[in-house]
Amino acid sequence: ELKVEQNPLFLSMQEGKNYTIYCNYSTTSDRLYWYRQDPGKSLESLFVLLSNGAVKQEGRLMASLDTKARLSTLHITAAVHDLSATYFCAVDMDSNYQLIWGAGTKLIIKP
Amino acid sequence: SQTIHQWPATLVQPVGSPLSLECTVEGTSNPNLYWYRQAAGRGLQLLFYSVGIGQISSEVPQNLSASRPQDRQFILSSKKLLLSDSGFYLCAWSVLYTNQETQYFGPGTRLLVL
Repeated sequence: ELKVEQNPLFLSMQEGKNYTIYCNYSTTSDRLYWYRQDPGKSLESLFVLLSNGAVKQEGRLMASLDTKARLSTLHITAAVHDLSATYFCAVDMDSNYQLIWGAGTKLIIKP
Repeated sequence: SQTIHQWPATLVQPVGSPLSLECTVEGTSNPNLYWYRQAAGRGLQLLFYSVGIGQISSEVPQNLSASRPQDRQFILSSKKLLLSDSGFYLCAWSVLYTNQETQYFGPGTRLLVL
């Protein structure tokens, strides 16, 4: 059974700091997705990582994928309050794009 | 460009009443379609997915059902709602073998069963 674990599940940090969210998964997959959800809102796609060693960056967020370690990281650089949200990772289960979701990491960035 | 619509945005229903939530996608053909539920403060639970008209796969046994009467229309239904059906219902779409290989989510329907 494919399981996806995120940690931490909750993170409170100060503006200007760096931090990393981790996403581990239990079986082989080379497709991993990161999403953002603001309170009361739907999910927004952030990154699509489709191969081992893939790295993508958007503003202060950078995501990477290590398929051998079955690990993806979402790194936040010099955090700002606007990045406060819940971040989900999801792993592709099969060719029908059925995704297995992590529980989400609630990120609060204090000004 | 592609867009996804869901309605209603918010719904308050009594226990035992029926339910119909609708999702439509524009700007793409033969998408995979998905229904998720999210309980307050929790992660996503996949309820149903569909790879084509009339093709529905159920992930969680429950009193909900789904139908896909048209290529870009996905409906979530219930004959009798339970209190535990309350939550945030999200519809999503994806298309295989494109460089945009991800699931795109609609705005969601917030359902409260009283």
